[in-house]
Formats: sequence, C-alpha cells, structure tokens
Amino acid sequence: AQTVTQSQPEMSVQEAETVTLSCTYDTSESDYYLFWYKQPPSRQMILVIRQEAYKQQNATENRFSVNFQKAAKSFSLKISDSQLGDAAMYFCAYRSARGSGGGADGLTFGKGTHLIIQP
Amino acid sequence: SAVISQKPSRDICQRGTSLTIQCQVDSQVTMMFWYRQQPGQSLTLIATANQGSEATYESGFVIDKFPISRPNLTFSTLTVSNMSPEDSSIYLCSVVDRTGRAFFGQGTRLTVV
Repeated sequence: AQTVTQSQPEMSVQEAETVTLSCTYDTSESDYYLFWYKQPPSRQMILVIRQEAYKQQNATENRFSVNFQKAAKSFSLKISDSQLGDAAMYFCAYRSARGSGGGADGLTFGKGTHLIIQP
Repeated sequence: SAVISQKPSRDICQRGTSLTIQCQVDSQVTMMFWYRQQPGQSLTLIATANQGSEATYESGFVIDKFPISRPNLTFSTLTVSNMSPEDSSIYLCSVVDRTGRAFFGQGTRLTVV
C-alpha cells in the first residue's frame, strides 16, 4: 500500500516571501500521479498542482512549483510571493496511474500542513 | 475540469438515524469516489463507485454502514447509516477527469448528536 508523509504540521511565512512544504511518499509502482491540494476554511478541496511520475520536468502553475525527486520519493511544493489568500491546509496526495484512464484508484493523502501567512 | 454539486452542505442528525448525501457531476464519469475527513484529520477514501456494479470499499468501511448508489454516470449517493457521534465528519465526493486530475464536491459537514 502507498503512504504519503507530510512532516510539517504547520508552517508560517511572511507575506511576499517564499515557503516550501515537504512531502515524501512510498510506493512500489513506477507510474503514478502526485498532487498538492489546498483546503481553506470553506473546506473546498482545490487542486493546486499535479505531477506525472513519468515526466522529469517539474510542474509549475504561476506562483506554485514542485521539486519532484522520483528516486528519493520526494515531492515538495514551493509557493513564491506568498499572499494572504494562500493561507490554508495543504495536502499532498498520491494516485496510481493503473486502470482504465488512470482513474481506477482513489487518492492517498498525507496528514496535511497548515500554512499561515503573516502580514 | 468537472463541476461537482454536493448536498446537503451540512446537517445535524440524531444518533441512530441515517443521512443520504448526493453528488451530481456536470459530465459523465466512470468512477466516483467518496471520502471522509474526520475533525482535524486528512481525507480517507471510503469507497469507489462504478456505474453498473457494486461499490468497492476500503479497509475499515462496510456496505451496511455506508451504502452507495450509482444509478448513472453523473450521479451517486452515500448513506451514513445508524449514525453515532463518531460519524461526525466532512464527507466529500470526487471524480477524476481524463487528464488524471481529481476534483471534489464542496463537502457535507455532518454532526451527530
């Protein structure tokens, strides 16, 4: 079974600064997806960024980027120019790419990191 | 991307009763997923609902407690049966699009008293 570990229960960063959230995972599979989700107090799960394991290039989405180290099974999220609206719980998640259309399996989540933005 | 409508958004229920949560998707999807998020915790997969077949439950979750229906490719329901205070959680439905991205409904915050 796959596991996802987020070792930082809480992180704090000054507005406009850069912060990195850590995530490691364990799997015996070679093809999979990794995700970062944001959950604000509204509890809506918002997809921040996705990485396909077969791609060596790190995914980026505007101020959000990842450092994907497949051999080390590490998947950190970097948030640049932090904004007050970035304050939320951040969850790292894993999903196998097996099955029809890659959607056969649900997500395995880490325990989350609470990100605080200091004004 | 997929747009998911989930309802109710919240409910307060008496112990021993049941609550059915509905999830409607704006496009046809093969798989729908149901998750539970206990207070202050992460999300845990309850079951996978495939249209036309019985749902597949994860370890620790059983059909008698969490019956699921999947009558068509855009709709699913999860029932929380014979509720106890330990069932107080947020319940979320999710779908995966063709690019492999997972999208979630707004969640149902359930409080059992």
